[in-house]
Amino acid sequence: GAVVSQHPSRVICKSGTSVKIECRSLDFQATTMFWYRQFPKQSLMLMATSNEGSKATYEQGVEKDKFLINHASLTLSTLTVTSAHPEDSSFYICSASEFLGYGYTFGSGTRLTVV
Amino acid sequence: GESVGLHLPTLSVQEGDNSIINCAYSNSASDYFIWYKQESGKGPQFIIDIRSNMDKRQGQRVTVLLNKTVKHLSLQIAATQPGDSAVYFCADPGSSNTGKLIFGQGTTLQVKP
Repeated sequence: GAVVSQHPSRVICKSGTSVKIECRSLDFQATTMFWYRQFPKQSLMLMATSNEGSKATYEQGVEKDKFLINHASLTLSTLTVTSAHPEDSSFYICSASEFLGYGYTFGSGTRLTVV
Repeated sequence: GESVGLHLPTLSVQEGDNSIINCAYSNSASDYFIWYKQESGKGPQFIIDIRSNMDKRQGQRVTVLLNKTVKHLSLQIAATQPGDSAVYFCADPGSSNTGKLIFGQGTTLQVKP
């Protein structure tokens, strides 16, 4: 089956620094990748949609200059949290889709803690 | 706007009993629905999906029922096991051509031994 690898699984960083999270589709080419954020005991909130070779589409209220998304290839998308603050601490999850609107596979998530 | 919601935040069942988790959706144009299981600290795991041209679909110990008239779907888990304890989400790509998955709020399933 389709596998999506997300790395790192946990990261602790200091306030003001930047953190990069990688999302790779291992056995398929992902036309679209999605980035979600999840707070404790809450649902997944979509942050942005990225398509290979084009700019990401951000959801309303998500700062595109803070959450930089790069989708340079059909198997790799990265999310960079810039100038991180404690309120950015959350669980970040990526998802990759081979076909539009079908076949979503999720990564294992990244627990970001900003101290 | 589009929304996918769940009726109950927590469901507690006895091991061996059947579990039923419900979900309501608002977009009558939605034609594809997915159920996910999320264990603590992990990403969502696909359980089963259903298209709107079906009323029922069965998997291993799981059944999804879709009632398009009232825009409701349910996930039934037979002979619930402790390993089924998790948060369950229904999700819907909606009518958008971007394929964005819209998640419901989730139901926490607690299985009592």
